[in-house]
Amino acid sequence: GAVVSQHPSWVICKSGTSVKIECRSLDFQATTMFWYRQFPKQSLMLMATSNEGSKATYEQGVEKDKFLINHASLTLSTLTVTSAHPEDSSFYICSASVAGEAYGYTFGSGTRLTVV
Amino acid sequence: KQEVTQIPAALSVPEGENLVLNCSFTDSAIYNLQWFRQDPGKGLTSLLLIQSSQREQTSGRLNASLDKSSGRSTLYIAASQPGDSATYLCAVWGNNRLAFGKGNQVVVIP
Repeated sequence: GAVVSQHPSWVICKSGTSVKIECRSLDFQATTMFWYRQFPKQSLMLMATSNEGSKATYEQGVEKDKFLINHASLTLSTLTVTSAHPEDSSFYICSASVAGEAYGYTFGSGTRLTVV
Repeated sequence: KQEVTQIPAALSVPEGENLVLNCSFTDSAIYNLQWFRQDPGKGLTSLLLIQSSQREQTSGRLNASLDKSSGRSTLYIAASQPGDSATYLCAVWGNNRLAFGKGNQVVVIP
């Protein structure tokens, strides 16, 4: 089945530093990947849609300059949290689909980011 | 904007009982609906995918129904086991995105 690998699983960083999270589709090509953020006991909130070879589409209220998304190949999308602050601490998850929304979406294992 | 609500937010049941988890959504113009399982601190595992033209899907002890016109889906888990303890998320696809509920947090007591 379709597998989406996300790395790292957890990361602790100091305020003001940047953190990069990788999302890879292991056995399929993904022209589109999605990045979500989840707070404790809350829904997954879509942050942005990552399109291979073009700029990401960000949801309203998500800072483009703070959450940099790069989708340089059909199997890799990265999310970089720049100048991280404690309020950026959250659970970040990516997802992709083998063949579009008709076949459902596969999610990565998530990244727990803690900014101290 | 699509709003997805899951009731109850949390429930505990003794092992062996059947589980009934409810999901409702405000915009019936959906392409499909997907149920996921999430364990603490982990990603999402897809359980069932129901296309908008379908009424239900089954996989083992799991059965999910969809009533698109009324904006409702129900996930049934038969003969619950302690290993079923997790948070169950309902998500609907429409307008080029998945909209999620907050989840049903389930504890199955041995």
